[in-house]
Amino acid sequence: GDSVTQMEGPVTLSEEAFLTINCTYTATGYPSLFWYVQYPGEGLQLLLKATKADDKGSNKGFEATYRKETTSFHLEKGSVQVSDSAVYFCALRRGSTLGRLYFGRGTQLTVWP
Amino acid sequence: NAGVTQTPKFQVLKTGQSMTLQCAQDMNHEYMSWYRQDPGMGLRLIHYSVGAGITDQGEVPNGYNVSRSTTEDFPLRLLSAAPSQTSVYFCASSLNRDTDTQYFGPGTRLTVL
Repeated sequence: GDSVTQMEGPVTLSEEAFLTINCTYTATGYPSLFWYVQYPGEGLQLLLKATKADDKGSNKGFEATYRKETTSFHLEKGSVQVSDSAVYFCALRRGSTLGRLYFGRGTQLTVWP
Repeated sequence: NAGVTQTPKFQVLKTGQSMTLQCAQDMNHEYMSWYRQDPGMGLRLIHYSVGAGITDQGEVPNGYNVSRSTTEDFPLRLLSAAPSQTSVYFCASSLNRDTDTQYFGPGTRLTVL
């Protein structure tokens, strides 16, 4: 079945460090891929998405490229800020699954000044 | 435009009690869903609805009921609360089941003693 695997957290970085959070997926066909972010005490917000192979999603300095050959969608940011501290979820959706999102377990990111 | 709203924000129940978690959206979205979030497990789909009068089960439906009498509202009922239902519950909506972007509410933190 469909599933998403994220790197285990927590991840702790200093401000301005480079961030990578790995995400791989298992799905038949051509799913859409997403990164959601959850700030403390809040609901999930869509950070970026990619809907087909080789697409790059980007937002707020974060990027992720849909790699079908490696079934991956790794999240990267060149220089993190304290305000990026949050939990990040990788997710996928296939059109045939009636809108359902399949989530990874989430990765807690803490950025220190 | 309030987006997706959920009430209450926090709730404590005793085992065996029943209650309803409320979810409403003002974006005229057809698709609505309920997820539960447990530590280290990401989000899991409980129930979803592709339109008023239509609901179906997700991954973990046992112990929960839903109905969709209007486009705006999608309440989640716990019939007889159990400690295993202690979790954070999120409601989400999207324009329709084929739309990639889903909007999440702020969540309800439920504790069952």
